[in-house]
Amino acid sequence: SAVISQKPSRDICQRGTSLTIQCQVDSQVTMMFWYRQQPGQSLTLIATANQGSEATYESGFVIDKFPISRPNLTFSTLTVSNMSPEDSSIYLCSSVTGDGQPQHFGDGTRLSIL
Amino acid sequence: AQKVTQAQTEISVVEKEDVTLDCVYETRDTTYYLFWYKQPPSGELVFLIRRNSFDEQNEISGRYSWNFQKSTSSFNFTITASQVVDSAVYFCALSAGANSKLTFGKGITLSVRP
Repeated sequence: SAVISQKPSRDICQRGTSLTIQCQVDSQVTMMFWYRQQPGQSLTLIATANQGSEATYESGFVIDKFPISRPNLTFSTLTVSNMSPEDSSIYLCSSVTGDGQPQHFGDGTRLSIL
Repeated sequence: AQKVTQAQTEISVVEKEDVTLDCVYETRDTTYYLFWYKQPPSGELVFLIRRNSFDEQNEISGRYSWNFQKSTSSFNFTITASQVVDSAVYFCALSAGANSKLTFGKGITLSVRP
């Protein structure tokens, strides 16, 4: 299965700032996804990162708040913009290789906003 | 729309007890996939199993077993002879395709006491 690395693993940020989270996969993958897990909650899909085109966002998530890039088949970034305390969550990247392997996740980025 | 219900929120057992985690799903798709993931206190999401809608065979892997019943739209997970290391949050998830986004249940917090 693909190995997914996320950076940073955790961060503490000031209100109103932005943070970019990186997701690197060790092999080419067909699909990459970004999920949010708010404290004590389940995982909610933010968007599907599409290679070479705009991400596909789920209801309740917008590009201005969560811009996503995917310049190639192994890398994606998620930016959390103009952060507020409500954005304090774990953000997880996942990928699917398309060869029948199940969806695997990175270790997540624990984000706290003061 | 897809939906996953994990009615149990927290379960506490004593080591060596058997425990069953329930999962009920809703989907209009004829082809779909069901998953179980484990999230230990360290936070990473660990893949446990994937089942497609055409394979209703129960599966056993060591102390873990899964019971898939399409008639009741359930995909339950049993841990036999539980151990302290089984303490984690367990998520059941559903996708429309092998490479599709996941819809998660709210998760079940399992505590295994020595």
